[in-house]
Amino acid sequence: SAVISQKPSRDICQRGTSLTIQCQVDSQVTMMFWYRQQPGQSLTLIATANQGSEATYESGFVIDKFPISRPNLTFSTLTVSNMSPEDSSIYLCSAPLAGLNEQFFGPGTRLTVL
Amino acid sequence: KQEVTQIPAALSVPEGENLVLNCSFTDSAIYNLQWFRQDPGKGLTSLLLIQSSQREQTSGRLNASLDKSSGRSTLYIAASQPGDSATYLCAVNTGGFKTIFGAGTRLFVKA
Repeated sequence: SAVISQKPSRDICQRGTSLTIQCQVDSQVTMMFWYRQQPGQSLTLIATANQGSEATYESGFVIDKFPISRPNLTFSTLTVSNMSPEDSSIYLCSAPLAGLNEQFFGPGTRLTVL
Repeated sequence: KQEVTQIPAALSVPEGENLVLNCSFTDSAIYNLQWFRQDPGKGLTSLLLIQSSQREQTSGRLNASLDKSSGRSTLYIAASQPGDSATYLCAVNTGGFKTIFGAGTRLFVKA
């Protein structure tokens, strides 16, 4: 199985600031995904990050609020910009193992915005 | 639009009981279905993956079935243990890794 790590594991931030979350995969993957899990809710896909191209955002999510980088096949970042308390969530990255179609998830980043 | 529903939302059982978690989806055109476990405040652990052409998958005390035509999947947990306490999520892959998650079933197994 793929090993996916995220940094930071948690953070408490002030309203109006930005936080960049890092996601590292231990093998090369074509596609990486960023999800948000609001308190008590299930996961919602934010965007798909492909190496060498712009991220594809789902309805309700925009690049200005959630800019994503994908500099290589093992790494991606998600920035939560101009944060408000409504952005308090767990943010998870995921990737399918190359050659298979099973998704693996990172441990998540728990973000609290005051 | 694909929607995934999980029943029950929460379940509390005594240790040793066999139990069934249910997942239903509205569009049968799926690529695969995956069951995950999530511990409080943690990420997701993949439990079982069922391809659209498969009927079931087994791993240890877990068995997942898929009836694509009726839009249903079940996760069967045999001889439940307190360590099984977690939230169980059903996720449907509609292609291109567009994954739609259910809201989950929160399971508590009492010692």
